Amino acid sequence: RKEVEQDPGPFNVPEGATVAFNCTYSNSASQSFFWYRQDCRKEPKLLMSVYSSGNEDGRFTAQLNRASQYISLLIRDSKLSDSATYLCVVFTGGGNKLTFGTGTQLKVEL
Amino acid sequence: DAGVIQSPRHEVTEMGQEVTLRCKPISGHNSLFWYRQTMMRGLELLIYFNNNVPIDDSGMPEDRFSAKMPNASFSTLKIQPSEPRDSAVYFCASSLESYNSPLHFGNGTRLTVT
Repeated sequence: RKEVEQDPGPFNVPEGATVAFNCTYSNSASQSFFWYRQDCRKEPKLLMSVYSSGNEDGRFTAQLNRASQYISLLIRDSKLSDSATYLCVVFTGGGNKLTFGTGTQLKVEL
Repeated sequence: DAGVIQSPRHEVTEMGQEVTLRCKPISGHNSLFWYRQTMMRGLELLIYFNNNVPIDDSGMPEDRFSAKMPNASFSTLKIQPSEPRDSAVYFCASSLESYNSPLHFGNGTRLTVT
């Protein structure tokens, strides 16, 4: 089993829709969780951290479910500019080492 | 803040040649990471340094790959000899030491080995 797994998609949604992605992780001792966004042919950039109590940043909501070992990202009122690949990132093991999922591709269409 | 600076942006080389990729992390960041990204395998951690010391190089594919960090402001990733299967985008990233701190990526080097 991979350390971090994501549905690769693509998720094709109309503008204004609500879309959610899940990401599962295998190590129950994982401590920190993040969502990164990567545009085509660009570098990944931090979208948001994921806190135990869940957190929201504008149209984006991130949640953590430790019992089932997954994190989620919800995007409300999706925009064309949200089209990108969303990478789930989990801190596992000792030291400052992050494991990236392979990403979920989102395409927002008119 | 200049961000993480990588060079070159693009590199095209012939099989068997030596390739050197360069990275300047953000000033004050204690950790530096080299990642490789391909369509098939996604982002793979090759090696990371903490305070200029290599901590985990288990992701380095084989002896043809080597990385150095002679000081806090510079790192290199060398491939010798290069092979077509090394073609990928190589990202350098840096972060503060805390595991809660995000990674800041450079623009990447797109390597093509023919």
